[in-house]
Amino acid sequence: AQTVTQSQPEMSVQEAETVTLSCTYDTSESDYYLFWYKQPPSRQMILVIRQEAYKQQNATENRFSVNFQKAAKSFSLKISDSQLGDAAMYFCAYRRNTGGGNKLTFGTGTQLKVEL
Amino acid sequence: GAVVSQHPSWVICKSGTSVKIECRSLDFQATTMFWYRQFPKQSLMLMATSNEGSKATYEQGVEKDKFLINHASLTLSTLTVTSAHPEDSSFYICSARVIGGRIRGSTDTQYFGPGTRLTVL
Repeated sequence: AQTVTQSQPEMSVQEAETVTLSCTYDTSESDYYLFWYKQPPSRQMILVIRQEAYKQQNATENRFSVNFQKAAKSFSLKISDSQLGDAAMYFCAYRRNTGGGNKLTFGTGTQLKVEL
Repeated sequence: GAVVSQHPSWVICKSGTSVKIECRSLDFQATTMFWYRQFPKQSLMLMATSNEGSKATYEQGVEKDKFLINHASLTLSTLTVTSAHPEDSSFYICSARVIGGRIRGSTDTQYFGPGTRLTVL
C-alpha cells in the first residue's frame, strides 16, 4: 500500500521569506501523480500544485514550486515570498495513474504559520 | 472552473435521526466523487468512492448501511448518515474528479467542496 509521510507537524516562516515543506512517499508504482493541497482555516481544500511522475521537470505555480526526486521518493514544496494568506495546513497527496480507483492518499499535514 | 459545492455547510441533529449531505459539481460533470471524513487537526480519511449510476465503493471499516451514498446524476452525489450518533460528529468533505481536458489545466484532478460540519447531540 502507498503511504505518504510529512515529518513536520508545524513550520513557521517570516513574511516575505522562503519555506520548504517536506513530503516523502512509498510506492512500487512508476506512473503516478503527486499533489500539494492547502487547507486554510475555512477548511476548503485548495489545490496548490501537481506533479506527474513521468515528468522530470519540477512543477511551478507562481510562488510555489516543488523539488521532485523520484528515486528518493521525495516531493517537497517551496513557498517563496511567503504571505500571510499562505498560513494554512498543507497536505501532500499521492495518486496512482492507473488502477487504484483514482484514490488520493494524504499525508498527515504540516501546519504553516506566517509571522510578521 | 472546477467548483464543487456542498450543502448544508453545517448541521446539528439529534441522536437517532438521519442527515443528508449534498455534493454538487457546478461547472463540470463528475462520473466519480469521493467522500472524506476529517477529525480536528487530522488528515482526510477516505470513506467511499461514489460512481455515477452504480454502487459506491466503501473503504475498509466504513459501514455502508450507516453511510448511504447515492450518485444519481453526473453533478450530484449525496451522503446520508443514518441513525446518527455523537461519534458520527465530524467534518465531511466531498471531492469530484475532473477528467483531463474538460477544464483547462485540470488534468484528472480532484476538486474539493467546502465541507459540512455535522454535530450530533
